[in-house]
Amino acid sequence: GENVEQHPSTLSVQEGDSAVIKCTYSDSASNYFPWYKQELGKRPQLIIDIRSNVGEKKDQRIAVTLNKTAKHFSLHITETQPEDSAVYFCAPSSNSGYALNFGKGTSLLVTP
Amino acid sequence: DVKVTQSSRYLVKRTGEKVFLECVQDMDHENMFWYRQDPGLGLRLIYFSYDVKMKEKGDIPEGYSVSREKKERFSLILESASTNQTSMYLCASMSPGSSYNEQFFGPGTRLTVL
Repeated sequence: GENVEQHPSTLSVQEGDSAVIKCTYSDSASNYFPWYKQELGKRPQLIIDIRSNVGEKKDQRIAVTLNKTAKHFSLHITETQPEDSAVYFCAPSSNSGYALNFGKGTSLLVTP
Repeated sequence: DVKVTQSSRYLVKRTGEKVFLECVQDMDHENMFWYRQDPGLGLRLIYFSYDVKMKEKGDIPEGYSVSREKKERFSLILESASTNQTSMYLCASMSPGSSYNEQFFGPGTRLTVL
C-alpha cells in the first residue's frame, strides 16, 4: 500500500512567519493530493487540494505545490495567524473515489 | 451544507461488550468511511463502503465489522470490545462523481473501553 510521510511532525512559528509542511508518498499512481486541517476538538476539513496535472495551486494565504517526479507535495502557509494553529494532514490517493491515505499529521503552533 | 452525524460523542464500554457506532449523512453520498484516530498515528482506515451492502477492508479491519443497509447510514461494529480499541472514531462520506473529492467528516466518537 501507499507509504505516506509528513515532515515535520511539529512546527512552531511566530505570527506573520511562513510555514511549510512536506508530504512524501510512495505510490507513483497517486493522482490526487489534498491537505486537511483539524483544529483541536474538531473534525478534519479539506483546505486545499491539487491534481497531478497541476504543479501549484493557491488560495489566499495557503498554497500547495506538487513534485510528481520526486513524489512529494507541500503545504505553504504565509502570514500565519494564531487561528492557523491545528494539525494538518496530507492524504494522497491514487483513486479519488475511494480511500485516502492519511499521513500521521503535523501539529502547527502559531504564537502571537 | 453536507452534514455527517455520529450517534455519540462519548461512549464508555466494558471489555467484551458489543459496540455499535452509527454514522448518518444527508447528502446522498455513495462512499462512506470509518477511521480511527490515535495520537501520533494519524487517521487509519478501518472499513469503507462504496454502495449499499458493499464494504471493503481498510488498513486495520481486525476486530471490527461494518453494516450498510441504507445509503445514508454506515455502522461500525466492535463484536467484542477490547481496551486497545479505545480511540477516537471518525466517519466520513464523499461522492466520487462530484467535481471535488472532498471527504466530509462527522464530529467523532471518543470510545473508552474499560
